[in-house]
Amino acid sequence: SQQGEEDPQALSIQEGENATMNCSYKTSINNLQWYRQNSGRGLVHLILIRSNEREKHSGRLRVTLDTSKKSSSLLITASRAADTASYFCATDATGGYQKVTFGTGTKLQVIP
Amino acid sequence: EAGVAQSPRYKIIEKRQSVAFWCNPISGHATLYWYQQILGQGPKLLIQFQNNGVVDDSQLPKDRFSAERLKGVDSTLKIQPAKLEDSAVYLCASSTGPQGREEKLFFGSGTQLSVL
Repeated sequence: SQQGEEDPQALSIQEGENATMNCSYKTSINNLQWYRQNSGRGLVHLILIRSNEREKHSGRLRVTLDTSKKSSSLLITASRAADTASYFCATDATGGYQKVTFGTGTKLQVIP
Repeated sequence: EAGVAQSPRYKIIEKRQSVAFWCNPISGHATLYWYQQILGQGPKLLIQFQNNGVVDDSQLPKDRFSAERLKGVDSTLKIQPAKLEDSAVYLCASSTGPQGREEKLFFGSGTQLSVL
């Protein structure tokens, strides 16, 4: 089952614009991660935000987390054609061990 | 540092046939995951190992899927017999584990399975 649902399902922007993707989840979490997937193959970890953090930055990435609304957002600033990929949020629900459950993903296209 | 290795990259089989996928995680990683990703969807966890023990296999269709991780290193996922709906990319991932709760996952390139 998918823990997270992402919105929008697909996003098309011009190079240089900002891209924002949202993730909503259902249960209490320890942390939330964002991953990127190119061409339907292996995923690459981008950033992790803990449940007691509200915002985190890494290069052109900015992630926010609102545990009261069970939602997170990923902002990519000054997008590049190389950012074209699918982006997934992944949650680690509270419990006895880490179990990483992925959302449905947002497909981002950056037009040069 | 070598990444997660998976083989084969592609596999085409007829329904009711058997298939096996192999994964070698990053050296020293205690936790190994198998995910199934159907086209257009997010990865779904099939089974999670810590060393050679199963931590979670709640979403593994045990009537047809099996997995093992002998000696706590590489792992094999088998489907027998395959159904049309098993067509997907099978992703292996590993993390340092076993006690951490902020572990990022390292993924292999996956095996794309087509069942005809």
